[in-house]
Amino acid sequence: GAGVSQSPSNKVTEKGKDVELRCDPISGHTALYWYRQSLGQGLEFLIYFQGNSAPDKSGLPSDRFSAERTGGSVSTLTIQRTQQEDSAVYLCASSLGIYTEAFFGQGTRLTVV
Amino acid sequence: QQPVQSPQAVILREGEDAVINCSSSKALYSVHWYRQKHGEAPVFLMILLKGGEQKGHEKISASFNEKKQQSSLYLTASQLSYSGTYFCGTSGNTPLVFGKGTRLSVIA
Repeated sequence: GAGVSQSPSNKVTEKGKDVELRCDPISGHTALYWYRQSLGQGLEFLIYFQGNSAPDKSGLPSDRFSAERTGGSVSTLTIQRTQQEDSAVYLCASSLGIYTEAFFGQGTRLTVV
Repeated sequence: QQPVQSPQAVILREGEDAVINCSSSKALYSVHWYRQKHGEAPVFLMILLKGGEQKGHEKISASFNEKKQQSSLYLTASQLSYSGTYFCGTSGNTPLVFGKGTRLSVIA
């Protein structure tokens, strides 16, 4: 695609429900990142994929968070049993490699009520 | 390890200059600079790969001192369009992690 695509753009969910966020990176980009940005805050690193493997999962806040990437392309971030503190914008970025420019999607704004 | 940015915020009048600093406690291979406007995704400005390298983008340039594990972003003759939050990202033994950002406001 022309850019990084994320869906949905907005998601409102009830506390305790599971949510899945999707990221479709730029074609050919082997590196894929997930970040979380709370209101007015910085970019909190969550997880990084190189191809389909995730060599660095150190940023995942808890075991309620998981992510996978299939076919070296689409990635999904799953949050189980959502809590109000999970409310944030979840940003995905992709790049040709970890030492090259990263392109960001427009993000998914998650609101847990 | 998250890089440290300074200052946290700065207010400039149009035409003034600013410097944003980024430092890391770990060895770096690359430093990335991004700008994010309110409600939008971060946009790439530049990437620096070698020690002492300096790059420019219009009136925005940056330097990277690999030995000191520091980078600085220089904004000269600031314009209203420069307003936003600037993030430095670093990668070395870890993938791309970002500092907490520097909020830059340019006023007329």
